[in-house]
Amino acid sequence: DAGVIQSPRHEVTEMGQEVTLRCKPISGHDYLFWYRQTMMRGLELLIYFNNNVPIDDSGMPEDRFSAKMPNASFSTLKIQPSEPRDSAVYFCASSLGGVSPGELFFGEGSRLTVL
Amino acid sequence: AQSVTQPDIHITVSEGASLELRCNYSYGATPYLFWYVQSPGQGLQLLLKYFSGDTLVQGIKGFEAEFKRSQSSFNLRKPSVHWSDAAEYFCAVGAGGTSYGKLTFGQGTILTVHP
Repeated sequence: DAGVIQSPRHEVTEMGQEVTLRCKPISGHDYLFWYRQTMMRGLELLIYFNNNVPIDDSGMPEDRFSAKMPNASFSTLKIQPSEPRDSAVYFCASSLGGVSPGELFFGEGSRLTVL
Repeated sequence: AQSVTQPDIHITVSEGASLELRCNYSYGATPYLFWYVQSPGQGLQLLLKYFSGDTLVQGIKGFEAEFKRSQSSFNLRKPSVHWSDAAEYFCAVGAGGTSYGKLTFGQGTILTVHP
């Protein structure tokens, strides 16, 4: 079975450019999470969705960040404009809520470098 | 607000030796507790979880963890470490109800295994 699929795996961009990260969750999962991992701050939850609806976006750092989930099989995290401090690994994770809350299945991450 | 502390940033053990990774949490009610493992360049994988019931939980790859409410701890153990266990380990706490899925992760413990 396919796991959580993220693209791109690596992205290098210049400050001020728009960045879009993509995620395909595991089929049938009803929760989707975006996390950010940095050396300084560790793993931070940015936003999560339930049945394509954003439930909690309190972790989104600022208005430059936005996330969407237009359908059950696709989500995007957009940064516009990007800044060097956005450099991090961004993880998408999905889960099946009623069965096993908190059991997240992570993608391999998108490593973002903003120059 | 919930929080997790992993006191040890880096632990080194010899192959075949026993292992204990420490985790302390802060949460007002009975927490959901998790241990995840991350290999270099990969996403996180669930090792084990505690929701309720028996305080000693078994996980994959021969790992176990014990929930001790009086000490607010959920330490991870393995009787005999293999070289393939070298990775970073994260303890996490989650809430139920309306905060379902909002896991808070510790800073992680890097495990190095000497032959």
